[in-house]
Amino acid sequence: GENVEQHPSTLSVQEGDSAVIKCTYSDSASNYFPWYKQELGKGPQLIIDIRSNVGEKKDQRIAVTLNKTAKHFSLHITETQPEDSAVYFCAAILMDTGRRALTFGSGTRLQVQP
Amino acid sequence: DTAVSQTPKYLVTQMGNDKSIKCEQNLGHDTMYWYKQDSKKFLKIMFSYNNKELIINETVPNRFSPKSPDKAHLNLHINSLELGDSAVYFCASSLPGTSGLYNEQFFGPGTRLTVL
Repeated sequence: GENVEQHPSTLSVQEGDSAVIKCTYSDSASNYFPWYKQELGKGPQLIIDIRSNVGEKKDQRIAVTLNKTAKHFSLHITETQPEDSAVYFCAAILMDTGRRALTFGSGTRLQVQP
Repeated sequence: DTAVSQTPKYLVTQMGNDKSIKCEQNLGHDTMYWYKQDSKKFLKIMFSYNNKELIINETVPNRFSPKSPDKAHLNLHINSLELGDSAVYFCASSLPGTSGLYNEQFFGPGTRLTVL
């Protein structure tokens, strides 16, 4: 069935360290994978997305990698800062659902310790 | 310069009441959505409208009814509220995807609904 699994559920790192969050998806036809950041009391905000025709995308300290064969994608944050602390969600358009809506992972609470 | 706005931000009400949450976007998008985020932060799509037409209707109770008076607004009406309806509801909007391409969804700030 439709599924996006996300790990870990919580992640604590020291300021300056890297953070990696991983997601797997069920539908091999999926072709769009966004990552959202949700700060306390706010709505999710897109930070980076990747389409299935590329394997990696980078934007300053944030990068996303996609392995279509293994059906997983990862978010990498380098040189973490306290303001990176938030809940991060991966998502995918699961084509096999027939409805083409974003299916979200369960979220990762990232805590960056100063 | 708010992109996607929702009112109210907080809504506390009694079981059995009927309430509405309003959403407006000034981005010129054709597609709007409602999501529910439960206490464990899990986000799930409820409805999607494209240019005032319903295109996604997930398995939500009939007590929930979206209404789109124009493509900039998508309101959510909830009848006979139940304890389990307590959650944060997010409105979002995007440009419609074409040829299998999908566009960024912009989320509103959320409405925290508490049913007592």
